[in-house]
Amino acid sequence: QVHLVQSGAEVKKPEASVKVSCKASGYTFTGYYMHWVRQAPGQGLEWMGCINPNSGDTNYAQKFQGRVTMTRDTSISTAYMELSRLRSDDTAVYYCARGGYSSISPIHNWFDPWGQGTLVTVSS
Amino acid sequence: QSVLTQPPSVSGAPGQRVTISCTGSSSNIGAGYDVHWYQQLPGTAPKLLIYGYNNRPSGVPDRCSGSKSGTSASLAITGLQAEDEADYYCQSYDSSLSGYVFGTGTKVTFL
Repeated sequence: QVHLVQSGAEVKKPEASVKVSCKASGYTFTGYYMHWVRQAPGQGLEWMGCINPNSGDTNYAQKFQGRVTMTRDTSISTAYMELSRLRSDDTAVYYCARGGYSSISPIHNWFDPWGQGTLVTVSS
Repeated sequence: QSVLTQPPSVSGAPGQRVTISCTGSSSNIGAGYDVHWYQQLPGTAPKLLIYGYNNRPSGVPDRCSGSKSGTSASLAITGLQAEDEADYYCQSYDSSLSGYVFGTGTKVTFL
């Protein structure tokens, strides 16, 4: 059974950084892309970027370029998303979600399954 | 800022059929990229409902179906049930943004 388990809620001050982890189980971690999506309170879904766990290659949404870093540790089947220079409007639930095969182009990727979400609150 | 537009809400009586539209452009749906649909129950993570035009993951009832035409896509839910009350999002890839885009989201409620 494919499962993604994320780290716990975080409270950060403006200008700080946050690092969220996503531990995968039930499949070959390096065989599938991992995506990150966030959802601000009462708002819709916003794609942040993805990582190819096999190669380490990343693709970030233009909006987050320069502020987001996605990494992985294949030895423990875990992906990470770090967001820096936090602002109040970064307050959101952050999700990891498995994409398609890492050996082919991800452009037709769908996201399944999703992690349980990590609430990041940015407040002074 | 979503580039795929959905109606904010749709409603139907139990047992009725509802449809949710997802309007994109020539750089996403119109370019031939697949459209996928997700259901999000309150307080939970999104769940894949339809992928790759009209495919259902195991466990998703055949009351749900997807379609696509030109720069738009639609999700249909027949035989509306209480468990269908949720938010629904479409998703595709956008070549202009070189990334993935979601719809604005639609809340399905009972009349």
